[in-house]
Amino acid sequence: DTAVSQTPKYLVTQMGNDKSIKCEQNLGHDTMYWYKQDSKKFLKIMFSYNNKELIINETVPNRFSPKSPDKAHLNLHINSLELGDSAVYFCASSQGRRSGNTIYFGEGSWLTVV
Amino acid sequence: DAKTTQPTSMDCAEGRAANLPCNHSTISGNEYVYWYRQIHSQGPQYIIHGLKNNETNEMASLIITEDRKSSTLILPHATLRDTAVYYCIVREGSNYQLIWGAGTKLIIKP
Repeated sequence: DTAVSQTPKYLVTQMGNDKSIKCEQNLGHDTMYWYKQDSKKFLKIMFSYNNKELIINETVPNRFSPKSPDKAHLNLHINSLELGDSAVYFCASSQGRRSGNTIYFGEGSWLTVV
Repeated sequence: DAKTTQPTSMDCAEGRAANLPCNHSTISGNEYVYWYRQIHSQGPQYIIHGLKNNETNEMASLIITEDRKSSTLILPHATLRDTAVYYCIVREGSNYQLIWGAGTKLIIKP
């Protein structure tokens, strides 16, 4: 069983479009995250939700809007896509927010904006 | 910025122990050391984490120096499938984020 699952795995879209990436975790965790991995392979946190409440919102454009309908889901919606949005986006989850709580990652969603 | 430094790349022979070093000289008392790896085109995979004591699980062992300024991840019997980028991360206690560096590219050779 996949613990943290993301869809779609691959997404190719044109500039200016709006797209969403869905994430679901079946671990019973209360905290979920979105990370972005750029072309240099550095992973950077974008958002974090705890019990459906936004707790981390790093400096990302307003075009990115996370939505958490329940604790098991954290979807990422992107408006007016730009070339620079091309990256791999990883969803993750953990039980609790302390540094001793392990974060588990999904397999990633490869977004290419053309 | 990442709070850890790791060698850019390492080689290891298949079947031998792979020892991956990590320096985290500015680590504070409540910060954990985490190790993840990322195999090409896959998501980061959790390996192990520790605070002060050495830790062992089915995947690896983590040796943390007494002053906690460095650690070593040990894969006891490396296989070709262990070829990946290994990330050593210090997790900030109050911020519970993972601040990622560039990692070590480990290549296991037959």
